[in-house]
Amino acid sequence: NAGVTQTPKFQVLKTGQSMTLQCAQDMNHNSMYWYRQDPGMGLRLIYYSASEGTTDKGEVPNGYNVSRLNKREFSLRLESAAPSQTSVYFCASSKYVLGEKLFFGSGTQLSVL
Amino acid sequence: DAKTTQPNSMESNEEEPVHLPCNHSTISGTDYIHWYRQLPSQGPEYVIHGLTSNVNNRMASLAIAEDRKSSTLILHRATLRDAAVYYCIVGTSYGKLTFGQGTILTVHP
Repeated sequence: NAGVTQTPKFQVLKTGQSMTLQCAQDMNHNSMYWYRQDPGMGLRLIYYSASEGTTDKGEVPNGYNVSRLNKREFSLRLESAAPSQTSVYFCASSKYVLGEKLFFGSGTQLSVL
Repeated sequence: DAKTTQPNSMESNEEEPVHLPCNHSTISGTDYIHWYRQLPSQGPEYVIHGLTSNVNNRMASLAIAEDRKSSTLILHRATLRDAAVYYCIVGTSYGKLTFGQGTILTVHP
């Protein structure tokens, strides 16, 4: 009963490097999300995908790109990492974007030096 | 979507009820009220949600004011495992919802 799986769990990057965070869900959910959480703060939405084939910007999309690879997978790419992107990243999914439960992954701790 | 106001922190004793308040005075008629909690070093987890009527599940109860401008999450008997940050979020679409800073709940043995 995996739910939402994120990889990697930890990552250290140098400024300017690129990387992709992977997220997969096995609950046949239509909607998927990427959030970031900075120390002592709530979660901020980066991008979301209401359904397969669509993506939309959230509150803090700058510096990120996403790909909804198929119904199960939603990846987040940092093309040129910056120290300001040091954060914990959470992927989540829900059956639909309206009135449904969000299920979260366990997070990726990313440090950009 | 509606802005929410929650106390920064609350404390409780184990096995006592806990009432966590949330104000959302700008809520619209189609906005759901959701509660999530986040235990240390984990992703948030769903607690409960509702639209107009009070809701109960195995984790908690949600009491919604008649005018819907406030709500209260009720943990009937707090345990040490309930120590977490509790987020009240209000809106129609998860694509536009904001998780604020939430309420840090401390449970004393």
